Amino acid sequence: DAKTTQPTSMDCAEGRAANLPCNHSTISGNEYVYWYRQIHSQGPQYIIHGLKNNETNEMASLIITEDRKSSTLILPHATLRDTAVYYCIAGNMLTFGGGTRLMVKP
Amino acid sequence: EAGVAQSPRYKIIEKRQSVAFWCNPISGHATLYWYQQILGQGPKLLIQFQNNGVVDDSQLPKDRFSAERLKGVDSTLKIQPAKLEDSAVYLCASSLRSGTLPNYGYTFGSGTRLTVV
Repeated sequence: DAKTTQPTSMDCAEGRAANLPCNHSTISGNEYVYWYRQIHSQGPQYIIHGLKNNETNEMASLIITEDRKSSTLILPHATLRDTAVYYCIAGNMLTFGGGTRLMVKP
Repeated sequence: EAGVAQSPRYKIIEKRQSVAFWCNPISGHATLYWYQQILGQGPKLLIQFQNNGVVDDSQLPKDRFSAERLKGVDSTLKIQPAKLEDSAVYLCASSLRSGTLPNYGYTFGSGTRLTVV
């Protein structure tokens, strides 16, 4: 898996969009980008994945740059329940880094 | 569908004692994973099973950790003897299959929190 770099922590106001960046400059051509999140005292939960194109599902949107060296997870209307650690994984072996701790504030 | 079941939820043992964790994956999921998550870090893969065979155990400390999945369904992870640094949450995950891309269909259990004193 490629190495990923994410900010350690971020804050977001409730109701606003949360944009979580991830750098994965060494990603190879067949490696997908996956996002998981982990709410306190629970196991990680799958959010979304992508290869080249932008993706959207009921939870989030994933924007991948054209060169695939970085991506952004977008939670369009963050709620307090979205407070969690968000992991970006670039590769197919599900190797977790430190993630970004997102705090959604009222 | 029922999720990945793990037990116990919490365990406190003294160093040098033994401990075992149990995992029952989602029905039909051929691939099972054990992860170790130390406080403040992301999960680290310990071992991956495909049915009852080991696919990857390169990060499993084999001098003290062992795992089995005898009938290709539920699995047990054992630590003997435990050290203070084994204090962590042990997560089990399962997926339908591995080796096909994208490899995203992981479902995690809630984990077992181990404290070694």
